[in-house]
Amino acid sequence: TQLLEQSPQFLSIQEGENLTVYCNSSSVFSSLQWYRQEPGEGPVLLVTVVTGGEVKKLKRLTFQFGDARKDSSLHITAAQTGDTGLYLCAGGHGNEKLTFGTGTRLTIIP
Amino acid sequence: DTAVSQTPKYLVTQMGNDKSIKCEQNLGHDTMYWYKQDSKKFLKIMFSYNNKELIINETVPNRFSPKSPDKAHLNLHINSLELGDSAVYFCASSRRQGTGSGNTIYFGEGSWLTVV
Repeated sequence: TQLLEQSPQFLSIQEGENLTVYCNSSSVFSSLQWYRQEPGEGPVLLVTVVTGGEVKKLKRLTFQFGDARKDSSLHITAAQTGDTGLYLCAGGHGNEKLTFGTGTRLTIIP
Repeated sequence: DTAVSQTPKYLVTQMGNDKSIKCEQNLGHDTMYWYKQDSKKFLKIMFSYNNKELIINETVPNRFSPKSPDKAHLNLHINSLELGDSAVYFCASSRRQGTGSGNTIYFGEGSWLTVV
């Protein structure tokens, strides 16, 4: 069973601070996705990374795929209250199913 | 217009009952999914259909039966509901099978099932 462990499980920080969320696995994935889920809604895709070592930026969010394609990180700069939500990583293998991580619940305090 | 819509959004029912959740996507996608999210927010795939054909069937009790009358619809019927079935069920769709770049999965808003 492929398992994606996210850390921390819960994170609560002040607005304006920086943070990093980690997604780790012992398995190699061909692609790694990050989703954000807000209360009462479904997950929404933020980014897909496919190459080991790849870095993608989405405004204040920076995503990195590990060189060995087993792990990933999400860094948020100058967090805003709108960043509050559940962040899920998900690993994929070609035509196989997507395996979701254990989730990080982020709360940004105004 | 909602891309992936599922009904009902909330469902409270007694143990032993049979219930259905309906899902429709208007994105013209070929692949549809059912996911279950438990109380710890862990999201796990249950079923995947591609062009009405069952592709993925995870270890799900036989009480759960998906039905895809056409590629825009994927309904989930649950027989003999148990307390442990309480969860949020998400329908989703994507243009094609696979998890690569460019094949975004779009999720519905979820159906909150509570079995009492």
